[in-house]
Amino acid sequence: AQKVTQAQTEISVVEKEDVTLDCVYETRDTTYYLFWYKQPPSGELVFLIRRNSFDEQNEISGRYSWNFQKSTSSFNFTITASQVVDSAVYFCALSEAPGGGATNKLIFGTGTLLAVQP
Amino acid sequence: DAGITQSPRHKVTETGTPVTLRCHQTENHRYMYWYRQDPGHGLRLIHYSYGVKDTDKGEVSDGYSVSRSKTEDFLLTLESATSSQTSVYFCAISEPPSVGTYEQYFGPGTRLTVT
Repeated sequence: AQKVTQAQTEISVVEKEDVTLDCVYETRDTTYYLFWYKQPPSGELVFLIRRNSFDEQNEISGRYSWNFQKSTSSFNFTITASQVVDSAVYFCALSEAPGGGATNKLIFGTGTLLAVQP
Repeated sequence: DAGITQSPRHKVTETGTPVTLRCHQTENHRYMYWYRQDPGHGLRLIHYSYGVKDTDKGEVSDGYSVSRSKTEDFLLTLESATSSQTSVYFCAISEPPSVGTYEQYFGPGTRLTVT
């Protein structure tokens, strides 16, 4: 069965510190997709990134970077020089492979609450 | 922002009453989903739809039904609300896998309290 584990329930950092949010997944599929979503205190869910299982290149977007390692089934998210506006719950998610019958269903982790103190 | 609205945004209801939540999209996306968010569980899929009148169950479908008579609307019904269905409900949309995007875009959520 597919499963996503975010072992860090809460993380508190001081502004300008770097912080890494961990995500470990389980799947029997050889092709799959991984996602990160952000849920700020206002409650909406914001899509951050999608990563294909056959593309292990790390990705950087401004202060955000993602490290995908198939060997350890991990898809970790690092925020560099954190800011108060980064305070949110961050969810990692996994979807089944596309193809006949696939429906993009997402399996979510339980989320990590990041609090960035000024 | 994806054009997804949910109504109502907040609702308080009594145990045993039926409740219907509405999700409306203006993106013409074929796939729509209903999730519930509870502390310690993240988001869990209730039902999804892969086209008009085409729906299927998700992980936590007991006590819920859905209907989709138009591309833009996806209704979630709690047939007889229970306190365990107190939650925040999110609707999401996506393109079919064949399009190649895969990510889902979420509505603003509905906070439902069953007393």
